[in-house]
Amino acid sequence: NAGVTQTPKFQVLKTGQSMTLQCAQDMNHEYMSWYRQDPGMGLRLIHYSVGAGITDQGEVPNGYNVSRSTTEDFPLRLLSAAPSQTSVYFCATLLEPNSDGYTFGSGTRLTVV
Amino acid sequence: TQLLEQSPQFLSIQEGENLTVYCNSSSVFSSLQWYRQEPGEGPVLLVTVVTGGEVKKLKRLTFQFGDARKDSSLHITAAQPGDTGLYLCAGDRLYKFYFGSGTKLNVKP
Repeated sequence: NAGVTQTPKFQVLKTGQSMTLQCAQDMNHEYMSWYRQDPGMGLRLIHYSVGAGITDQGEVPNGYNVSRSTTEDFPLRLLSAAPSQTSVYFCATLLEPNSDGYTFGSGTRLTVV
Repeated sequence: TQLLEQSPQFLSIQEGENLTVYCNSSSVFSSLQWYRQEPGEGPVLLVTVVTGGEVKKLKRLTFQFGDARKDSSLHITAAQPGDTGLYLCAGDRLYKFYFGSGTKLNVKP
């Protein structure tokens, strides 16, 4: 079992470029989410999904899109990158709330110049 | 404004000392989780508490959920250098998990 796999690990983008951060899981977890982590801010929820075909916004959704066509994959799209989106991005999965907790990927460090 | 406030933000102590980290909110949570994160890695779950007043122990770590399910604490007894890391609390409200800003712990040998 690979758990939660995020690609790429590092990325540098120019302002205005678009890209997709990939997240794949092999644990058959229904619940998946994307967080960004900035110094002194902890992790902030961008988007989440409670199952295939269902997505919803978190605390900081602006500038990001998601889709969930399969249980396994939950890509995060940056449509037009801005320097404010420089951050470390984590994908996390959960079997169900009140269960054993999130399993996190190892993160993608994104720099927008 | 963070929904969950953690304190202290930074803690530097000597090996063998005890410490407590607090996670406070004005909101009620269905459950509360504690994670530890090391540099360059994702957070790793330590414990989930669900019932108000619940106390869970994990070796030298003791976790408590407040009676009103609005706050929690993490107590470490006889801290060791291996405890060094960023400790994060996270509260669950209707499928949305809110994280505190974290407590960076450094245990010096």
